[in-house]
Amino acid sequence: GAGVSQSPSNKVTEKGKDVELRCDPISGHTALYWYRQSLGQGLEFLIYFQGNSAPDKSGLPSDRFSAERTGGSVSTLTIQRTQQEDSAVYLCASSLGTGGLGYTFGSGTRLTVV
Amino acid sequence: GESVGLHLPTLSVQEGDNSIINCAYSNSASDYFIWYKQESGKGPQFIIDIRSNMDKRQGQRVTVLLNKTVKHLSLQIAATQPGDSAVYFCAERGTNAGKSTFGDGTTLTVKP
Repeated sequence: GAGVSQSPSNKVTEKGKDVELRCDPISGHTALYWYRQSLGQGLEFLIYFQGNSAPDKSGLPSDRFSAERTGGSVSTLTIQRTQQEDSAVYLCASSLGTGGLGYTFGSGTRLTVV
Repeated sequence: GESVGLHLPTLSVQEGDNSIINCAYSNSASDYFIWYKQESGKGPQFIIDIRSNMDKRQGQRVTVLLNKTVKHLSLQIAATQPGDSAVYFCAERGTNAGKSTFGDGTTLTVKP
């Protein structure tokens, strides 16, 4: 597609439920990133995929968080047993590679855990 | 008006004035730096980048300055317009690091 697409744009869930957030990167972009942005805060790195390499999961805050990328394209971020502190905007970005290239971000999924 | 020096979380300028947004980075191994603009309800948008072998790069109405000695990055916006109102983030990346580390962001408000 023309840009990075994320769905849903908004998600309200009850504490303890699982949620799945989807990211469609720009076609041909080999690198895909997930970041989290809490209200009024900066971007916190979560996980990154590059081609067929093992993902860099160093930013995942707990084992309740996981992500996969199927066929080198679409990615799903899953949060199990959601907690109120998980409430944030989850941003996905993609880039052509990793060597000195800027990201193209999606508009994010605003997750609210009640 | 302009603001130089330490990073400020907010900056308010008059329409038509120049703006300077500052950022300090911590990783001396970082060799690629990017400025992003984030408008309300949207994801960050790439503005301009600079590699560590440069100290200045110009775009349309924007200039990025890099001082590796003090690990400082700045974004200059000429003739600031109301549409420039947004949160501005700097980001750094090392040569072999796929991910970028983002700064805290500066909220720029342009007064008409």
